Amino acid sequence: EAGVAQSPRYKIIEKRQSVAFWCNPISGHATLYWYQQILGQGPKLLIQFQNNGVVDDSQLPKDRFSAERLKGVDSTLKIQPAKLEDSAVYLCASTTGQGAYNEQFFGPGTRLTVL
Amino acid sequence: DQQVKQNSPSLSVQEGRISILNCDYTNSMFDYFLWYKKYPAEGPTFLISISSIKDKNEDGRFTVFLNKSAKHLSLHIVPSQPGDSAVYFCAASDNQAGTALIFGKGTTLSVSS
Repeated sequence: EAGVAQSPRYKIIEKRQSVAFWCNPISGHATLYWYQQILGQGPKLLIQFQNNGVVDDSQLPKDRFSAERLKGVDSTLKIQPAKLEDSAVYLCASTTGQGAYNEQFFGPGTRLTVL
Repeated sequence: DQQVKQNSPSLSVQEGRISILNCDYTNSMFDYFLWYKKYPAEGPTFLISISSIKDKNEDGRFTVFLNKSAKHLSLHIVPSQPGDSAVYFCAASDNQAGTALIFGKGTTLSVSS
C-alpha cells in the first residue's frame, strides 16, 4: 500500500513570495490533515478535511494561508505572501475516518525555508 | 499554553536497557493518547496508542502506561535497540472536540551499542 505522498520535499523562497505544497493521501482515506512543525516543536494542526469539506481550520492563518481538497482526494496548501516565521516542515496526514482511534499516517513533509 | 508536555528534550540509554519516555497533559477531556516515532527527513510513524479507559497497552517491546489521576503517560521500550534512536512524540486527542492530534515537543532518544 502506497503511503502519503508530498511534494516538493524542500523549498527555499524569499519573504513575500508565494509557495504551494501538494499532498496525495493513502487511497480511500477520507480525512486529510495539514500540520506545521516548527524546529524544536511538535506538529501543530493547520486544517482538517473530511472528503472535500473543511472540518477544522481554526488555527489556519487565513490572511496568508489557504488550502483546498477539491475532489476529496489530493490537497494543496498555499502561503501567500510568506513570512520568515513560516519556515517549518509542513506535514500532511490521512486517516480512514473521523475518529482519532484511526491511526494517522504521515507523509515525509515539505521543509520550507523563508529567507 | 501547552496541553501536552514532554519535559525531557533528550534521553540516552545503553543497548539492552529500558528506555522510559514521559509525557504530561493538562486537558482532562483528552480520551486517546498516541506515541509517534520520527527519523530525520521522514514523517512521524505511529508506534502505539492507549484509550483513556485503559491504564496499560503493550505491543512487543513497547508498553504505554496511563495514569489519569496524575495526567501522565509513559512509554517503556524494553530492551532498547540502536534502531530505536529517534525523536518520540506524545500526542493526545479529545474526540468530542475533534480528531486532530495535539503533540508534545518530542524527546530525542539515543541508544548506544
